[in-house]
Amino acid sequence: RKEVEQDPGPFNVPEGATVAFNCTYSNSASQSFFWYRQDCRKEPKLLMSVYSSGNEDGRFTAQLNRASQYISLLIRDSKLSDSATYLCVVTGTASKLTFGTGTRL
Amino acid sequence: NAGVTQTPKFQVLKTGQSMTLQCAQDMNHNSMYWYRQDPGMGLRLIYYSASEGTTDKGEVPNGYNVSRLNKREFSLRLESAAPSQTSVYFCASIRDRVVGETQYFGPGTRLLVL
Repeated sequence: RKEVEQDPGPFNVPEGATVAFNCTYSNSASQSFFWYRQDCRKEPKLLMSVYSSGNEDGRFTAQLNRASQYISLLIRDSKLSDSATYLCVVTGTASKLTFGTGTRL
Repeated sequence: NAGVTQTPKFQVLKTGQSMTLQCAQDMNHNSMYWYRQDPGMGLRLIYYSASEGTTDKGEVPNGYNVSRLNKREFSLRLESAAPSQTSVYFCASIRDRVVGETQYFGPGTRLLVL
């Protein structure tokens, strides 16, 4: 079983739609959680951190469910510029990031 | 403030050739990392350096060596390139290895081994 699993997609949605991505992780001792965005042939860039209390940044909302070991990302009012691959990232000790394979939007 | 820089951007090697990928950061970060990204595999950690003078293996270290030259620079060396090392290589850095800190990535080096 992969440490971090994501649906690879692609998700094809019309502009204005709401789209949700989920991610599951296997290590219950994981400490930090993030969503990164990666544009084609570019480096990953931090989109947002994920907290148990949930956090929102404009059209983006991230949630963490530690009991079920999954992380979600909700994008409202999708725009063409949101087209990218979204990487679920989990951190354990030594700040070593474990990446999901990404979900393409 | 350039962030994390990598050279070269592209490289083509023949099997058996050697090369060094360079990475530098100007953010005074303590820890630096090398990843490779392959289709369908996600990013995988090759080596990391928690602080100047230390290096440790990651998930896929075989065929690679690293040097933390100083606080700014962290290089990755392929002594004898193989086609399986064709990939995109990303360097990353983080200020401190504490919960919540995030990594900043360089633009990547695209390597093709023939």
